[in-house]
Amino acid sequence: LAKTTQPISMDSYEGQEVNITCSHNNIATNDYITWYQQFPSQGPRFIIQGYKTKVTNEVASLFIPADRKSSTLSLPRVSLSDTAVYYCLVAPLYGNKLVFGAGTILRVKS
Amino acid sequence: DVKVTQSSRYLVKRTGEKVFLECVQDMDHENMFWYRQDPGLGLRLIYFSYDVKMKEKGDIPEGYSVSREKKERFSLILESASTNQTSMYLCASSDGTRGGETQYFGPGTRLLVL
Repeated sequence: LAKTTQPISMDSYEGQEVNITCSHNNIATNDYITWYQQFPSQGPRFIIQGYKTKVTNEVASLFIPADRKSSTLSLPRVSLSDTAVYYCLVAPLYGNKLVFGAGTILRVKS
Repeated sequence: DVKVTQSSRYLVKRTGEKVFLECVQDMDHENMFWYRQDPGLGLRLIYFSYDVKMKEKGDIPEGYSVSREKKERFSLILESASTNQTSMYLCASSDGTRGGETQYFGPGTRLLVL
């Protein structure tokens, strides 16, 4: 199973770009990398998913280097409402062995 | 929008009680999951179901069982609740057979075992 490691917390200011890195050294060939966002008293919510290189959607970008041993979630121009816990998930193509990181608490200040 | 609902937001039970946590999804998803979430430990998978009456153990199944009699409903059972099962319990569902598919989470049930 691919174990993931993320920073415990990060602080940022409104309008800045935030990059959160997840380390997954023993990621398997068929594993996908997915990031979720969780607000207090809510379940996690899907943000973005990728396999390799770069993926971008209306919310974030995901950068995955060629060796896939890490990935970086990039949030452009954060606002106070982006304050949340962000989870990195490494999931195999088949089966139930899902590995969530411990999560990164992002605090956005004004 | 996919909706995943959980029967209770908060529960208080006593040690030794049998506890049922119910989860219902409305999108005809194949897969359903139960996680527990504890501070500093993130989400840990308890059980997973990929079809009616089918289940697989996750990373921490001890002390728990599950039931999936209908596709839309997945129940988590604590046969004899203990204080170390005090936690936030999250249910999720996803479509398809790939673990990498997007999971949709319910709001969670915060369980306190006294």
